[in-house]
Amino acid sequence: AQKVTQAQTEISVVEKEDVTLDCVYETRDTTYYLFWYKQPPSGELVFLIRRNSFDEQNEISGRYSWNFQKSTSSFNFTITASQVVDSAVYFCALILSNFGNEKLTFGTGTRLTIIP
Amino acid sequence: DTGVSQDPRHKITKRGQNVTFRCDPISEHNRLYWYRQTLGQGPEFLTYFQNEAQLEKSRLLSDRFSAERPKGSFSTLEIQRTEQGDSAMYLCASSTGGAKNIQYFGAGTRLSVL
Repeated sequence: AQKVTQAQTEISVVEKEDVTLDCVYETRDTTYYLFWYKQPPSGELVFLIRRNSFDEQNEISGRYSWNFQKSTSSFNFTITASQVVDSAVYFCALILSNFGNEKLTFGTGTRLTIIP
Repeated sequence: DTGVSQDPRHKITKRGQNVTFRCDPISEHNRLYWYRQTLGQGPEFLTYFQNEAQLEKSRLLSDRFSAERPKGSFSTLEIQRTEQGDSAMYLCASSTGGAKNIQYFGAGTRLSVL
């Protein structure tokens, strides 16, 4: 069975600092997708990124960047020059590409607090 | 394009009562998913629909839980004889289908069972 581990339960950083959120996953399948979602206090899960298992290219979107390393089964998320609006709970998730499978498996989340 | 909407946002009920939640997906999304999130945990899959067909149910979905999507549009999740352990956030998501497609989530319904 697949599993996603986010070992950092809570992180606090001062505004403008860089911060990296760790995500480690377990699966025996070779074809899967990885996701990051943001959950602000309002409760809605906001999609941030999707990465498929065959694409190990790192991605940058503004202040956000993602580092996918299959060798270590990790998909880490870095926020550069953090802002107060980045305060939220961040979830990493995995979905297998088996036919008919559409179930996301989430980690337990990392609560990020940006201190002004 | 409006997002996924859920109603009500909050529900407080007494143990033993029945409750029903509604989810309206993004229009033209044929997949609709229900997840449950307890405090300090990530969302856990409950069930999903392709149009009106319920294709998968988690073992978390006990006999007291029933979900429907009668016309392939909105969905309802009913919990009968609620228990304190049912207290959680119930999240709905929709997508165009398939593992690669993004599931877009609503803001959830927070249930408190007293």
